[in-house]
Amino acid sequence: LAKTTQPISMDSYEGQEVNITCSHNNIATNDYITWYQQFPSQGPRFIIQGYKTKVTNEVASLFIPADRKSSTLSLPRVSLSDTAVYYCLVGAAMDSSYKLIFGSGTRLLVRP
Amino acid sequence: DAGVTQSPTHLIKTRGQQVTLRCSPKSGHDTVSWYQQALGQGPQFIFQYYEEEERQRGNFPDRFSGHQFPNYSSELNVNALLLGDSALYLCASSLAGKEGIDEQYFGPGTRLTVT
Repeated sequence: LAKTTQPISMDSYEGQEVNITCSHNNIATNDYITWYQQFPSQGPRFIIQGYKTKVTNEVASLFIPADRKSSTLSLPRVSLSDTAVYYCLVGAAMDSSYKLIFGSGTRLLVRP
Repeated sequence: DAGVTQSPTHLIKTRGQQVTLRCSPKSGHDTVSWYQQALGQGPQFIFQYYEEEERQRGNFPDRFSGHQFPNYSSELNVNALLLGDSALYLCASSLAGKEGIDEQYFGPGTRLTVT
């Protein structure tokens, strides 16, 4: 399984765009990139998943360069409620029963 | 449509004791996975149950065991509790064979404190 590296923490202010980059140099051909969000004392929640190029949903965008060795989660105009830990995961996504391998995540603090 | 539920919410045990945690999967899901999350760390995979059998297991000792019932609910049992077992225990449910790991749903967790 490909190991991921992401910043330990990030600070931002309300209304700003936040970009969290994840490195995954050993990503395999079949691997997808998935991001989860976790609030204190809650279980992780799926945000977005992609394989290459750009994926966008109502919550975030995911940018993946051609070499797929990194990816960037973009959160547009963050609010205080976006303060959470964000996890980047890499692995095959062919089966929803796939066991998730979490790193330490990035703690995002959004200030007023 | 009920999501994943876990009980109890909080639990305090003494070293050496045994504990049982419970999980009810999201409606329509048949697979349950358990994770341990220590303070400040990401969740670590313990094991997964499907068709009442353990299908995958992470790097956890045999003190950690589980069970899945015919209604797909699951229990996590930990014997001979250690201080290091203090953590948030998360249950995630999914539907076997359905593509996309975005289909895994987590419960709120059980906070276990071992004193």
